[in-house]
Amino acid sequence: IAGITQAPTSQILAAGRRMTLRCTQDMRHNAMYWYRQDLGLGLRLIHYSNTAGTTGKGEVPDGYSVSRANTDDFPLTLASAVPSQTSVYFCASSDQPGYETEAFFGQGTRLTVV
Amino acid sequence: AQSVTQPDIHITVSEGASLELRCNYSYGATPYLFWYVQSPGQGLQLLLKYFSGDTLVQGIKGFEAEFKRSQSSFNLRKPSVHWSDAAEYFCAVGAQGRTDKLIFGTGTRLQVFP
Repeated sequence: IAGITQAPTSQILAAGRRMTLRCTQDMRHNAMYWYRQDLGLGLRLIHYSNTAGTTGKGEVPDGYSVSRANTDDFPLTLASAVPSQTSVYFCASSDQPGYETEAFFGQGTRLTVV
Repeated sequence: AQSVTQPDIHITVSEGASLELRCNYSYGATPYLFWYVQSPGQGLQLLLKYFSGDTLVQGIKGFEAEFKRSQSSFNLRKPSVHWSDAAEYFCAVGAQGRTDKLIFGTGTRLQVFP
């Protein structure tokens, strides 16, 4: 079934450790996004990529990095995790940037930093 | 600055009753407006969107929303709620071509009683 796959589904991570959240889509979408979802705050954009080879900062980029080496993959890296990065992380993609085309979301990664 | 307000954190309705979820936005130009639904443990799914034209838009699952520029609102409605509609609903506002400018509201959790 075509869509977005995120891994892992959940993770408990010690503070200070490095972690990469994986995101793969098989829809050949140009644009991809990473959001974090926190209670009472809704979804906030961390980083995005309009097309392979380019990335941009969203609303809350500090402490996170991304890369877009190819169309399908958009990993999110926490270089040195902190407890405030405890959240549910969603990857999404859309055929074109800017949301004129529907954004499809993965099922999320629940990350707990202790 | 761009912003979205969903005044109701939690709404409870009986199955078969009508539903209206409120969304107010702040945006300097003509906004792109969206409603997403998130079922427990799932990612977000697009219900409907408004870019231009007819201010009453129809979406999936029997939902509709009306754009009212004078009130800066984009309320979501359904004439008869089903138990399967229990979920969290997010309103979002975006700008044409601006991947970094999709702002989500904090969400409204809908509970449906039989």
